[in-house]
Amino acid sequence: DAKTTQPPSMDCAEGRAANLPCNHSTISGNEYVYWYRQIHSQGPQYIIHGLKNNETNEMASLIITEDRKSSTLILPHATLRDTAVYYCIVRVAGGKLIFGQGTELSVKP
Amino acid sequence: DGGITQSPKYLFRKEGQNVTLSCEQNLNHDAMYWYRQDPGQGLRLIYYSQIVNDFQKGDIAEGYSVSREKKESFPLTVTSAQKNPTAFYLCASSYWGVHAAGELFFGEGSRLTVL
Repeated sequence: DAKTTQPPSMDCAEGRAANLPCNHSTISGNEYVYWYRQIHSQGPQYIIHGLKNNETNEMASLIITEDRKSSTLILPHATLRDTAVYYCIVRVAGGKLIFGQGTELSVKP
Repeated sequence: DGGITQSPKYLFRKEGQNVTLSCEQNLNHDAMYWYRQDPGQGLRLIYYSQIVNDFQKGDIAEGYSVSREKKESFPLTVTSAQKNPTAFYLCASSYWGVHAAGELFFGEGSRLTVL
């Protein structure tokens, strides 16, 4: 499975959009991009995933570049409850999910 | 409600003792997983099971054992052979297969402390 690179931490003002970047330059054609988040001392929560096209659901949007070497998770209106560690993972269909160290997002009032 | 349940939430044990962590799911998921998380670190895969009576080692299986006698249950035993067992343990489940979405559902975790 391809590796991902994320910034260790980010801040965001409450009510503003949070844009979390992820680099996955060695991603192969059959690998999906997944995003999870983990609030302190809880189990991780699935957010969204995609292969080539941009995706949106009730939680977030996922923007994948045309060459698929990077992606951005967008939380359109961040709230204090969005403070968490966000994990970007690439995974081949049917394969294992391997979690890196993620980005610690702090949403500030 | 459907979900995945881990117990106990907190557990203390003395060195040299085996301990078993419970994980039960009623989501009718095929696959189940055990991860370990150390402070400030990501999750590391211990064991996973795609089907009843079958399981595979993950990246850090040494000192751990599992069983999968029922689809709903995937208990993890932390044996005395595990040198640094103090950690946060997370169980997860998902559908499995080439075309499966791969969305994992996690339990709330079990925090094990060795005294």
